[in-house]
Amino acid sequence: NAGVTQTPKFQVLKTGQSMTLQCAQDMNHNSMYWYRQDPGMGLRLIYYSASEGTTDKGEVPNGYNVSRLNKREFSLRLESAAPSQTSVYFCASSEVGGNTEAFFGQGTRLTVV
Amino acid sequence: QKEVEQNSGPLSVPEGAIASLNCTYSDRVSQSFFWYRQYSGKSPELIMSIYSNGDKEDGRFTAQLNKASQYVSLLIRDSQPSDSATYLCAPQPASGGSYIPTFGRGTSLIVHP
Repeated sequence: NAGVTQTPKFQVLKTGQSMTLQCAQDMNHNSMYWYRQDPGMGLRLIYYSASEGTTDKGEVPNGYNVSRLNKREFSLRLESAAPSQTSVYFCASSEVGGNTEAFFGQGTRLTVV
Repeated sequence: QKEVEQNSGPLSVPEGAIASLNCTYSDRVSQSFFWYRQYSGKSPELIMSIYSNGDKEDGRFTAQLNKASQYVSLLIRDSQPSDSATYLCAPQPASGGSYIPTFGRGTSLIVHP
């Protein structure tokens, strides 16, 4: 059982370039999330999708877009990368409601130069 | 978004000692808590959950919840160097609704031989 799979694991972009981070889960979860993690800042929510067909902004959405392609897949796009977007990105999924564990992908380490 | 406070540390303890990690929260709706462990360069993983006031023990780990004081802690007995990681506190609603996993900034634990 793969759980949550993210690609790529590492990426270096030049300022202004675009890219899409891919995420897929095989646990039939309704909810999926994108977080970024910076030193001393913890996990900050970028966007989330409570269910297939819906997406909403989180705490730090500026500079990002998302697509919930189907129940399994939730992608994060950087249209014009900036050095401030250098971070580690995590995709996660969970079932709806409380008392439910969040499962994380292995993370993408993105550097924008 | 719920406010979750954790001392960022690092908390340094000798091997074999008890490590005490604390978390306070401001949202009185939160009914239960998850503790996640994150090794350096890895993604968070769930290690403990606690749903009611009091203590919950699982091996060397004990979670303690005091809802009146809005305080939750994680005790690690007989700490091992392999326990060195960042520990994230995550409050949970009791059930239902559109819930978004929210995390404290985490406490870095270092267990030295």
